[in-house]
Amino acid sequence: NAGVTQTPKFRILKIGQSMTLQCAQDMNHNYMYWYRQDPGMGLKLIYYSVGAGITDKGEVPNGYNVSRSTTEDFPLRLELAAPSQTSVYFCASRGQGAGEPQHFGDGTRLSIL
Amino acid sequence: GQQVMQIPQYQHVQEGEDFTTYCNSSTTLSNIQWYKQRPGGHPVFLIQLVKSGEVKKQKRLTFQFGEAKKNSSLHITATQTTDVGTYFCAGTGTASKLTFGTGTRLQVTL
Repeated sequence: NAGVTQTPKFRILKIGQSMTLQCAQDMNHNYMYWYRQDPGMGLKLIYYSVGAGITDKGEVPNGYNVSRSTTEDFPLRLELAAPSQTSVYFCASRGQGAGEPQHFGDGTRLSIL
Repeated sequence: GQQVMQIPQYQHVQEGEDFTTYCNSSTTLSNIQWYKQRPGGHPVFLIQLVKSGEVKKQKRLTFQFGEAKKNSSLHITATQTTDVGTYFCAGTGTASKLTFGTGTRLQVTL
């Protein structure tokens, strides 16, 4: 199993550009998450989803959008990229139980210049 | 909202020394998880604690969950260079939401 796959691994954007970060999981997990991690800092929750068709805001949703049309995929969209969005973005998924561990992808390193 | 703090933020030890990181929640937790993130890597699940006062061991790592289920600790005995990384606790509180702690970065030198 591939687990959680994120693409691209690296990207440089110009201010004002838009892009979509892709996340796919092959574990049939209902719960999926997007986090951002600034250098030397912890994880901040951007958006999460409890199943196909259902999404909700996390701690820092401004400037981002998500969709969940299938169980497998949970893309994160950046509209009008700003330098403050320079970060490492991690996608994670977990199984149904509240205590199930989260499985993380390798991350997307995004720079906005 | 729920906050989970960890101390220290950073610790530098010599190989063979012990290391402890502490995790404190502003609210009572139903469970606590610990993750390790190697430099340049992604967080990887280590263990989950559920019961009040629970203690679990994984080789040189000892994990504890406080009696009041608001704090936890991770202790590493005789650190090795392979222990380098950032250790995060993550607690499940109200609304079954998992909140990650602020993390403790461990540096180990020979």
